[in-house]
Amino acid sequence: AQSVTQPDIHITVSEGASLELRCNYSYGATPYLFWYVQSPGQGLQLLLKYFSGDTLVQGIKGFEAEFKRSQSSFNLRKPSVHWSDAAEYFCAVSSRDDKIIFGKGTRLHILP
Amino acid sequence: EPEVTQTPSHQVTQMGQEVILRCVPISNHLYFYWYRQILGQKVEFLVSFYNNEISEKSEIFDDQFSVERPDGSNFTLKIRSTKLEDSAMYFCAIGTSGVIGETQYFGPGTRLLVL
Repeated sequence: AQSVTQPDIHITVSEGASLELRCNYSYGATPYLFWYVQSPGQGLQLLLKYFSGDTLVQGIKGFEAEFKRSQSSFNLRKPSVHWSDAAEYFCAVSSRDDKIIFGKGTRLHILP
Repeated sequence: EPEVTQTPSHQVTQMGQEVILRCVPISNHLYFYWYRQILGQKVEFLVSFYNNEISEKSEIFDDQFSVERPDGSNFTLKIRSTKLEDSAMYFCAIGTSGVIGETQYFGPGTRLLVL
């Protein structure tokens, strides 16, 4: 069965520091992978997605993610975080049909 | 990016009462989804809806749940007799093609609290 694991429930980084949020997936075929962000009181906003091709995917707000098939990972990165990046981040995979399977999320805290 | 609104933003109800959660896509879309997120847990798929029919539902989506598009624009999720464990954030999502890997656009959610 398809699944997504985000091993870090909370992460705290200082403003201006680099960020990496981990995501591992379990999926039998070529995965379709997503990162969503949820700011307080907001819906889920798509940051980026991977379908095929270049394994380094660029997204909005300066985020990028790298698909590594050998490690079944799709980690999200940002070179320098801003206070406005504080939010909850969800990694997700699209299953054989069209539903999306989410990880439990990682809450990002930013120190001034 | 397509916009999706959901009403109400918050709802408190008594156990056993019926609730209707509404989703209004700003543009025309054919594929609709409901997900829920119980506090502290992952976002879970409930149901997908296309062409006025349920195309897939999860084991969570039992007989207490129903979905419909009553007027061709609103997309509703009804919980007939709420239980305490129905307390969660409910997200509506829309898609354009329903294919694997399609981007789904989510609304801001309705937080439901069952007392």
